[in-house]
Amino acid sequence: AQTVTQSQPEMSVQEAETVTLSCTYDTSESNYYLFWYKQPPSRQMILVIRQEAYKQQNATENRFSVNFQKAAKSFSLKISDSQLGDTAMYFCAFMRKSSGDKLTFGTGTRLAVRP
Amino acid sequence: NAGVTQTPKFQVLKTGQSMTLQCAQDMNHEYMSWYRQDPGMGLRLIHYSVGAGITDQGEVPNGYNVSRSTTEDFPLRLLSAAPSQTSVYFCASKTTAQNSPLHFGNGTRLTVT
Repeated sequence: AQTVTQSQPEMSVQEAETVTLSCTYDTSESNYYLFWYKQPPSRQMILVIRQEAYKQQNATENRFSVNFQKAAKSFSLKISDSQLGDTAMYFCAFMRKSSGDKLTFGTGTRLAVRP
Repeated sequence: NAGVTQTPKFQVLKTGQSMTLQCAQDMNHEYMSWYRQDPGMGLRLIHYSVGAGITDQGEVPNGYNVSRSTTEDFPLRLLSAAPSQTSVYFCASKTTAQNSPLHFGNGTRLTVT
């Protein structure tokens, strides 16, 4: 079974600064997908960024980028120029290519952006 | 475009009562699923469906039933609610394209007393 570990339950960052959220996973699969989801206080789950394991290039979406280290099974999220609206719970998620679309989530990191 | 719609948003039940959480999507997605979110545990998969007439169990299926009579709807039934089922429930859908993301509903907060 796959496991996803987010070792930072809470983090805080000053507005306009950069913060990195950590995620590690355990799998014996070689083909899979990784995701970061954001859950603001509204409770809505919003996809932030996704990475395909066979792609070596790190995914980037505006101020959000990942550092994907396949050998180390690490998938960290970097948020640049943090904004107050980035305050949320962030979940890392893993999906095997052969899993029938089932996602395994980490326990989440609560990020607070300070004004 | 409504996306994934869950009703109700909040519900309080007494132990032993039954109820159905509704989920509907208007994106013609083949795949639908139910997750529960508990503090410190992330989201865990309850049941999922890859198309009308097909359902399967996820990680924590006990105490829940599902059916998929149409592509649009995927209700989650609690036959006899227990305090351990107090949680926030999310319905999600996606296409079967492998890297397509899950689209989530806004969740139902359920309290069982």
